[in-house]
Amino acid sequence: EADIYQTPRYLVIGTGKKITLECSQTMGHDKMYWYQQDPGMELHLIHYSYGVNSTEKGDLSSESTVSRIRTEHFPLTLESARPSHTSQYLCASSEYVSTDTQYFGPGTRLTVL
Amino acid sequence: TQLLEQSPQFLSIQEGENLTVYCNSSSVFSSLQWYRQEPGEGPVLLVTVVTGGEVKKLKRLTFQFGDARKDSSLHITAAQPGDTGLYLCAGEPTNDYKLSFGAGTTVTVRA
Repeated sequence: EADIYQTPRYLVIGTGKKITLECSQTMGHDKMYWYQQDPGMELHLIHYSYGVNSTEKGDLSSESTVSRIRTEHFPLTLESARPSHTSQYLCASSEYVSTDTQYFGPGTRLTVL
Repeated sequence: TQLLEQSPQFLSIQEGENLTVYCNSSSVFSSLQWYRQEPGEGPVLLVTVVTGGEVKKLKRLTFQFGDARKDSSLHITAAQPGDTGLYLCAGEPTNDYKLSFGAGTTVTVRA
């Protein structure tokens, strides 16, 4: 069973609010990822990290930012949420490279009104 | 344009029937993975295939990687309600080290 956690599981907020989605893993994995998932669409990689102080933008343009100050923690922040940010956000980690098994958290369902 | 096309998008069958879902691309992949995602949860890896023509069996699930490493299929024999979920394929393109995911096939097995 994967030891990767996301909070909150569900979030409904108003436009313009600043939010942080939390992701933590206890497996000691160096590689961590944030994906956006919408019904009928492929998972889009929006950010990834190969270790502490390493962050990269993914293939999908995103207005969010991430930080990686500790190995186990990879939070995602939206400075000013908009309705277009409404989506499911999945966090994942892997031990070596991204094509190893990726362990996913349960996701955060974000709704911006 | 999606790198990986999955079909069908939705599949609803009766318990005990067989089903096959497909994952196709015009690109070559170094490896391909299949994940299953249940409602309210993240995807969980089922299998990784790495060799063209490879066939892997996981109980009632059979996974095949095409000879040219551009496509894959997942076959479930005698499906059970517990097989219900979203099945995602994900591939490592030969020119990239990041996974690309398909949009998934939603499988519903009715009791």
